[in-house]
Amino acid sequence: SSELTQDPAVSVALGQIVRITCQGDNLRTYYASWYQQKPGQAPVLVIYGKNLRPSGIPDRFSGSSSGNTASLTITGAQAEDEADYYCNSRDNSDNHYVFGTGTKVTVL
Amino acid sequence: QVQLVQSGSELKKPGASVKISCKASGYGFSYYAVNWVRQAPGQGLEWMGWINTNTGNPTYAQGFTGRFVFSLDTSVNTAYLQISSLKAEDTAMYYCARKLGLFDYWGQGTLVTVSS
Repeated sequence: SSELTQDPAVSVALGQIVRITCQGDNLRTYYASWYQQKPGQAPVLVIYGKNLRPSGIPDRFSGSSSGNTASLTITGAQAEDEADYYCNSRDNSDNHYVFGTGTKVTVL
Repeated sequence: QVQLVQSGSELKKPGASVKISCKASGYGFSYYAVNWVRQAPGQGLEWMGWINTNTGNPTYAQGFTGRFVFSLDTSVNTAYLQISSLKAEDTAMYYCARKLGLFDYWGQGTLVTVSS
């Protein structure tokens, strides 16, 4: 089965830009979706498809993809963006899905 | 509005079984698969598999075959996760999530604690 690799942690100054990456072979075929999880809460979908945001997700969140890497960018990070972020995509070999290893974002 | 409401926390002894429910409302239950996701304490999200709400056919991720069973009761728009022969390492939060290509709505999670 496929694996999706993320950096364990990143930090960003308030109001600055942070990019979170997700690497995996299946990303050459399938888009990633991105999920934000705050402590004690269920994950929330923030980006899906080429660069689509569900209703209610601020436009400071954006997504992109190139080759085997998907990226989630927060432009103008806010204190409330401090959370764990996970990518997810479909597995290449069958109708399975896989989550990335997760990235903890700290807003300084 | 779309909601997935899961059953409450469970405390079980090793070797016991547990059955978690996920009740859907606010949408056509048969139009979206129900997926299950595990999160061990302090760890990341782990996709366990999914169940086709039209056919009832389950698909299990590697590592979740044998002791894990997904089922449905379409008469009450509810999906179930049953875990048998519980082990300490099954202690985790278990989430259900609606999926049609992406997980757009999640249950609140059910904490299962396995301890003697």
